Amino acid sequence: GAGVSQTPSNKVTEKGKYVELRCDPISGHTALYWYRQSLGQGPEFLIYFQGTGAADDSGLPNDRFFAVRPEGSVSTLKIQRTERGDSAVYLCASSLIQAGGSDTQYFGPGTRLTVL
Amino acid sequence: AQKITQTQPGMFVQEKEAVTLDCTYDTSDQSYGLFWYKQPSSGEMIFLIYQGSYDEQNATEGRYSLNFQKARKSANLVISASQLGDSAMYFCAMREGVENSGYSTLTFGKGTMLLVSP
Repeated sequence: GAGVSQTPSNKVTEKGKYVELRCDPISGHTALYWYRQSLGQGPEFLIYFQGTGAADDSGLPNDRFFAVRPEGSVSTLKIQRTERGDSAVYLCASSLIQAGGSDTQYFGPGTRLTVL
Repeated sequence: AQKITQTQPGMFVQEKEAVTLDCTYDTSDQSYGLFWYKQPSSGEMIFLIYQGSYDEQNATEGRYSLNFQKARKSANLVISASQLGDSAMYFCAMREGVENSGYSTLTFGKGTMLLVSP
């Protein structure tokens, strides 16, 4: 079946602008995660959704970052007043939460955000 | 303290040889999971292998095996018979806190770049 998809694959914006990044998880996966990967680093957790609600947003760096998942499937990560330091690859992952399972997270190809 | 430590920034191996990528972790949880992902230059994170903290046997998936040494808190990835297509960044990651929160996020190491030469 189809994997996790993310759009756009690349986004170039100017400092101060607003951007939206979209994630379409694997069908049937109830858990959805956003991570941010800076150059030369491993991904860092931003926010986790179980269904429609954000169960954990402790990784969001500040209140310029916000994410929604209104129908429990597609999610949008929103960044207001972008700064050059927001430049990174934003990765989305989804998993099927099962009791006793590995809850393996499957990742999308990422969105490379560049803030000029 | 770092939760996941990958001490090898880069590794070189010849095609058809085996290679071990190191990973040590730090957790006080009894129940946790360890994952390895491959990230080629295209950027996508590809799941390779999983080891649960209660699994008694080392995980294997084709040419990948995980050398799990719980007392030493290490979870090294072994790739047998390396292929040119194995050249990529490899990330070790840990899932913890499931028993307390009922869900998991992943903490990643900084990665090891593997280059396979002909």
